Amino acid sequence: QSVLTQPPSVSGAPGQRVTISCTGNSSNIGAGYDVHWYQQLPGTAPKLLIYGNTNRPSGVPERFSGSKSGTSTSLAITGLQAEDEADYYCQSYDITLSVWVFGGGTKVTVL
Amino acid sequence: EVQLLESGGGLVQPGGSLRLSCTASEFTFSSYTMTWVRQAPGKGLEWVSTISGSAASTFYADSVKGRFTISRDNSKNTLYLQMNSLRAGDTAVYYCAKGVDNSWPNYFDYWGQGSLVTVSS
Repeated sequence: QSVLTQPPSVSGAPGQRVTISCTGNSSNIGAGYDVHWYQQLPGTAPKLLIYGNTNRPSGVPERFSGSKSGTSTSLAITGLQAEDEADYYCQSYDITLSVWVFGGGTKVTVL
Repeated sequence: EVQLLESGGGLVQPGGSLRLSCTASEFTFSSYTMTWVRQAPGKGLEWVSTISGSAASTFYADSVKGRFTISRDNSKNTLYLQMNSLRAGDTAVYYCAKGVDNSWPNYFDYWGQGSLVTVSS
């Protein structure tokens, strides 16, 4: 069981908006540690998608955005495209466990 | 462009050992933390170990503490993971990942392609 909780799957039609939640507790997200998001396309290595809760690295499309509130963060994909079909992982740090932590991952399906 | 190339994976029997390597290029290797992350077949990402730029500080997940050793040779731009007393549960693709800087905790801005380790008799 992952320290950070994500829904196993979300889906949407092309052009729609989908959101993926990442919920932690007072030892990680609630303690002020940033959340970062990675995209893993089928059969490939993860790729940094969002860092510091809300920031996009150069080259990441604007349709990807991150937000944070309390002990939860969210990744939103607006204008969903077929190429966005992938697994998405959130990542932070847990001060009680003294470990880097990942969410269990969310599979995004484009209908 | 930053490149990370893992090698050393393969099939090993339970109780055996294996050493993974990750050769880095196109950045000042010693100025960044480096991390190993693994992914069991069909499962999610699991943080394994992190090492500071100078190798003075190392961090391990409880699941590998005492069995795995992370190290680096900054003169060769290479990161290592020595894995001993391997178990079936260690079967995974092992990724090396570059930290965004030399502080911790941080996040990972570049990842290698992964190296498959299979522990089976």
